Amino acid sequence: DQQVKQNSPSLSVQEGRISILNCDYTNSMFDYFLWYKKYPAEGPTFLISISSIKDKNEDGRFTVFLNKSAKHLSLHIVPSQPGDSAVYFCAATPPVTDKLIFGTGTRLQVFP
Amino acid sequence: DSGVTQTPKHLITATGQRVTLRCSPRSGDLSVYWYQQSLDQGLQFLIQYYNGEERAKGNILERFSAQQFPDLHSELNLSSLELGDSALYFCASSASSGGHTEAFFGQGTRLTVV
Repeated sequence: DQQVKQNSPSLSVQEGRISILNCDYTNSMFDYFLWYKKYPAEGPTFLISISSIKDKNEDGRFTVFLNKSAKHLSLHIVPSQPGDSAVYFCAATPPVTDKLIFGTGTRLQVFP
Repeated sequence: DSGVTQTPKHLITATGQRVTLRCSPRSGDLSVYWYQQSLDQGLQFLIQYYNGEERAKGNILERFSAQQFPDLHSELNLSSLELGDSALYFCASSASSGGHTEAFFGQGTRLTVV
């Protein structure tokens, strides 16, 4: 039972354009959401997070949007850069716990 | 560098064997988590320890066990290994237990069972 879903296994975007990565979840009790980036042969690196009491969080080129009614979040990267090419994982935590439940990841490729 | 150290980086072993993966958390972090990433899969939560005690358990097989020592390093023991146990095993650490904190991951141990 996949509680966190990333339905697009890959995404290809031109440098300078916007990248939008999507994530859906099934458990309405999740109250904290995170995005991690992973390069080959490295561990996941924390990127940005959002609490369920907010609908938007921004950090530089990265913005995460949360739509609780739709159980959907998205990560926007603007402008996209070739160095952003990586696998992006969406993760969620149930309340009063900080174990992470991950999606299956989306491979982003940013081309010149 | 996340500050989380995992050893070994690579491990090749035969079916039926037992291996131990080691993790040193970031300085000051009390929580340690273990995750398994199989081919083309997301990261599956296995188990969490907080300050030496088991805090949360995920889809961890009975053949697998873990512990966290007084110096806060952790070990994941995998026994009676099967081909399907081949995967990347990640350790992560965080400062707290109880929600709303990001975890920092090590580089992982790639286990190959032949």
